[in-house]
Amino acid sequence: DQQVKQNSPSLSVQEGRISILNCDYTNSMFDYFLWYKKYPAEGPTFLISISSIKDKNEDGRFTVFLNKSAKHLSLHIVPSQPGDSAVYFCAASTVDNNDMRFGAGTRLTVKP
Amino acid sequence: DVKVTQSSRYLVKRTGEKVFLECVQDMDHENMFWYRQDPGLGLRLIYFSYDVKMKEKGDIPEGYSVSREKKERFSLILESASTNQTSMYLCASSFWTSGGPYNEQFFGPGTRLTVL
Repeated sequence: DQQVKQNSPSLSVQEGRISILNCDYTNSMFDYFLWYKKYPAEGPTFLISISSIKDKNEDGRFTVFLNKSAKHLSLHIVPSQPGDSAVYFCAASTVDNNDMRFGAGTRLTVKP
Repeated sequence: DVKVTQSSRYLVKRTGEKVFLECVQDMDHENMFWYRQDPGLGLRLIYFSYDVKMKEKGDIPEGYSVSREKKERFSLILESASTNQTSMYLCASSFWTSGGPYNEQFFGPGTRLTVL
């Protein structure tokens, strides 16, 4: 039973446009959320995170939005660049645990 | 720079063989994790460890065991490899935290294991 779901396996956008990646979770105990980016033949690398006490966190071109009532978060990339093409994983954890749960990933392709 | 290394990038084994996957981190992290990554399923947690000689089952521990004799090293063991264990295996590490800001996990490059 996947507690973190990314329902879109792939997304294609034009360079310069906005990319929106979505993530839903079922466990209401989750209070910390992260996005990881993975290139082929490499391990995932941390991108951005958000605590449940916030509804938005921004870091340069990347913004994560959290809607706790809907148990939904999204990652916005503006403007999208070809180098952003990768698989993006959503992850969630609780403050009491040091482990986390991942979604299935969304493959983003940014076309020049 | 945090570095997590895995002993092999690619591994081919036969059904029934005992397989060892090694992971080493150089940042003095307390926590270490083993995941497998499969298409459509994402990263699934197999086992994790908060300290030397400690281990906790993740979501899919069946068919696997782990060993953590030293803080920097975490081994995943397939006692008798089966074809359904063909997958990408990822190791990760992080600092231990209790009730404070969560610490991100740092991943190794992965081991692509094929069981024939």
